Amino acid sequence: EDQVTQSPEALRLQEGESSSLNCSYTVSGLRGLFWYRQDPGKGPEFLFTLYSAGEEKEKERLKATLTKKESFLHITAPKPEDSATYLCAVINDKIIFGKGTRLHILP
Amino acid sequence: GAVVSQHPSRVICKSGTSVKIECRSLDFQATTMFWYRQFPKQSLMLMATSNEGSKATYEQGVEKDKFLINHASLTLSTLTVTSAHPEDSSFYICSARDRGVYTEAFFGQGTRLTVV
Repeated sequence: EDQVTQSPEALRLQEGESSSLNCSYTVSGLRGLFWYRQDPGKGPEFLFTLYSAGEEKEKERLKATLTKKESFLHITAPKPEDSATYLCAVINDKIIFGKGTRLHILP
Repeated sequence: GAVVSQHPSRVICKSGTSVKIECRSLDFQATTMFWYRQFPKQSLMLMATSNEGSKATYEQGVEKDKFLINHASLTLSTLTVTSAHPEDSSFYICSARDRGVYTEAFFGQGTRLTVV
């Protein structure tokens, strides 16, 4: 069965304290892996697509990496505005989401 | 990124009535649209997948007669919650993909449905 597992479920960091969020997956026929950011009461906002192991993408304080079994979203020197739920999703014929990591950055 | 517009953003309806939610892709052709339901602090639960001009494919446990999905054009899909009950209250989100250009899916803003 295709599965996407994100950890930790929730993470509280001080402003400037770097960390990483994990997304592990077991999916047949993986075509890509997505990271999204979701703010409360809003739809997910697209961040990155990764297609193959070894690929990396960066956007401001975020960097996403991909291996054959997992992806990491690295957050460098986060700010309070980075507080959100970060969702990982994999795609074969469907888009399968993990449960997300709720990130809270304390000022 | 591509823009997906979902309307309404909030709706309150009486138990037993039907509610229609629209999802439009504004600047691309959405060959595939997805409808999700999300409970507080939970992830997105896929309800159904629809390809333009075809019947929607529903996930196990989702009542197709209750959640009617229409994807009649490349830019519009609708979800109608029929005979709504309080347990149908939730956050509904659509997303859209264009297989020919993008592989990632772009999301609408979501609809908060409250059934009283």
